Amino acid sequence: GAGVSQSPSNKVTEKGKDVELRCDPISGHTALYWYRQSLGQGLEFLIYFQGNSAPDKSGLPSDRFSAERTGGSVSTLTIQRTQQEDSAVYLCASSRRSPGELFFGEGSRLTVL
Amino acid sequence: QQQVKQSPQSLIVQKGGISIINCAYENTAFDYFPWYQQFPGKGPALLIAIRPDVSEKKEGRFTISFNKSAKQFSLHIMDSQPGDSATYFCAARPTNFGNEKLTFGTGTRLTIIP
Repeated sequence: GAGVSQSPSNKVTEKGKDVELRCDPISGHTALYWYRQSLGQGLEFLIYFQGNSAPDKSGLPSDRFSAERTGGSVSTLTIQRTQQEDSAVYLCASSRRSPGELFFGEGSRLTVL
Repeated sequence: QQQVKQSPQSLIVQKGGISIINCAYENTAFDYFPWYQQFPGKGPALLIAIRPDVSEKKEGRFTISFNKSAKQFSLHIMDSQPGDSATYFCAARPTNFGNEKLTFGTGTRLTIIP
């Protein structure tokens, strides 16, 4: 596709369940980012993948959050034992190696009941 | 730890007026300052960006002003139009090579009224 694709676009789950969010970046983009957007909180960095380097996980809020990127392309963000405070829009972005323009997907809106 | 502070949180401007959004940063090791525009239900998209070696950059009705000594930068939207109604985020990127994640401000919801 032409842009960053994320799925599902909306996910409603019950507290305690695990969820997986998928991101398909723009072809040829080596960097992939996950951000979380909560109401009034701006864009919170979660994790950053760059090529074959070890990912920068410094933004993950707890060990319930994990992400992987397979074959340098598709990424999955997994949230285990979801909590109500995990409710947010999860945005994925990709970019070329430099200079740094991020191309965002439309996000996955997660609601934890 | 918020390294980029953005204000105001929301802004209402009349059509044809000037919209001004301000950001301040704390870490001097930033070398790239973009602004992103986000419409409801969409992801943010790059609007305009500046590097600290220039004090101003203009693209159409959008201008970034940069004050390195004050560690502040601002977005000016001239002749604001209803189609400019969106949420705007400022951001900053650290200089250290290989660490290219952006730190975003908290966003400004701009509404342009007729």
